[in-house]
Amino acid sequence: EAGVVQSPRYKIIEKKQPVAFWCNPISGHNTLYWYRQNLGQGPELLIRYENEEAVDDSQLPKDRFSAERLKGVDSTLKIQPAELGDSAVYLCASSLSWRGDNEQFFGPGTRLTVL
Amino acid sequence: GQNIDQPTEMTATEGAIVQINCTYQTSGFNGLFWYQQHAGEAPTFLSYNVLDGLEEKGRFSSFLSRSKGYSYLLLKELQMKDSASYLCAVRPRIDYKLSFGAGTTVTVRA
Repeated sequence: EAGVVQSPRYKIIEKKQPVAFWCNPISGHNTLYWYRQNLGQGPELLIRYENEEAVDDSQLPKDRFSAERLKGVDSTLKIQPAELGDSAVYLCASSLSWRGDNEQFFGPGTRLTVL
Repeated sequence: GQNIDQPTEMTATEGAIVQINCTYQTSGFNGLFWYQQHAGEAPTFLSYNVLDGLEEKGRFSSFLSRSKGYSYLLLKELQMKDSASYLCAVRPRIDYKLSFGAGTTVTVRA
């Protein structure tokens, strides 16, 4: 079974440029998460989707970040414009459901460097 | 947010045992997860505890005490491939939100 797929794996941009990350979750997983992980820290949730609906985006910096999950499958996370402090690894995860002990499966992440 | 504490680094010898402690303070509790993350890779699930006690899975075991807000991950018969960061994550209420600790970097030496 294929895991969570993310692209690109690495991205280097200059500040004020836009950037987008793509995620393809495990087939059949209704719940999709975007996390940000700074160096030496644990992942922090940015947004959660249930199918195509963003049910919690309280941690998403909405002035520059946006996300979508069309048709309840693939998702994209966009930053426009990027700032130096956005340098981090952006992880996508999926699970069958948010309930109970449903394990979250993580993708390999996109490592963003903003110069 | 939630307060989750775990040591920053631990070093052990191949074949030895290491215990990684995690303490937490949350508003309610609905499960604790341990994840392993090798450098530059995705976190992978190791264990889930929701009731007090020890859960054993091969060389890895995880313990939970809800009254003490305490968990540990025990790694036995350490192998070089166990060198990684180990993340403790708590689900504070009956919802989806996982709060992660900063992770413990374990280095296994020959």
